Amino acid sequence: DIVMTQSPDSLAVSLGERATINCKSSQSVLHSSNNKNFLGWYQQKPGQPPKLLIYWASIRESGVPDRFSGSGSGTDFTLTISSLQAEDVAVYYCQQYYTTWTFGQGTKVELK
Amino acid sequence: EVQLVESGGGLVQPGGSLRLSCAASGFTFSTYSMNWVRQAPGKGLEWVSYISGSSTAIYYADSVKGRFTISRDNAKNSLYLQMNSLRDEDTAVYYCARETAGCCSDYWGQGTLVSVSS
Repeated sequence: DIVMTQSPDSLAVSLGERATINCKSSQSVLHSSNNKNFLGWYQQKPGQPPKLLIYWASIRESGVPDRFSGSGSGTDFTLTISSLQAEDVAVYYCQQYYTTWTFGQGTKVELK
Repeated sequence: EVQLVESGGGLVQPGGSLRLSCAASGFTFSTYSMNWVRQAPGKGLEWVSYISGSSTAIYYADSVKGRFTISRDNAKNSLYLQMNSLRDEDTAVYYCARETAGCCSDYWGQGTLVSVSS
């Protein structure tokens, strides 16, 4: 199984400031056949199911604010919230779908 | 509007069985692969099982292999998870999740809680 490791486990960010979450996979999730990274990011708020934010490592899902962006390739990926809003307080998960799904352990984003 | 509605959760004793259902609507169910994902209380997401649209491909997490069985009825737009020999560590909210084009999940149900306890 591909192991996904996120860092940090939690972070506190002031309103309007940048939040950066890292995700590392135990093996590359870049598929040579289509040059795509099989990596997604989800946001989960308490009592709700996860919501897809980013897929193919950098493609924003429809309706997701452009303050959310994804980057990286191979084994190292980043989710950036450029200007944190109150409604962004949540837990964020990375997921690989190169093989059967595995998720990172989650990163809790709070307000400072 | 795409909707996924899980049901069938509840309290069961260790060693018991439970069958979860996921009713799908708002899309052509048979053309989508589906997954079950669970989340233990206060913990992260754990993928449980996958089934292709035509049920020709089925996969399980090692933690449930041999105990859980995924299935679907495309005529009824329904996904199922038969859970046998349940253990304390199977306690979780179970979500059904639609897989989009060999990618990730663009729609999730609200989840159903399974509690395994004596």
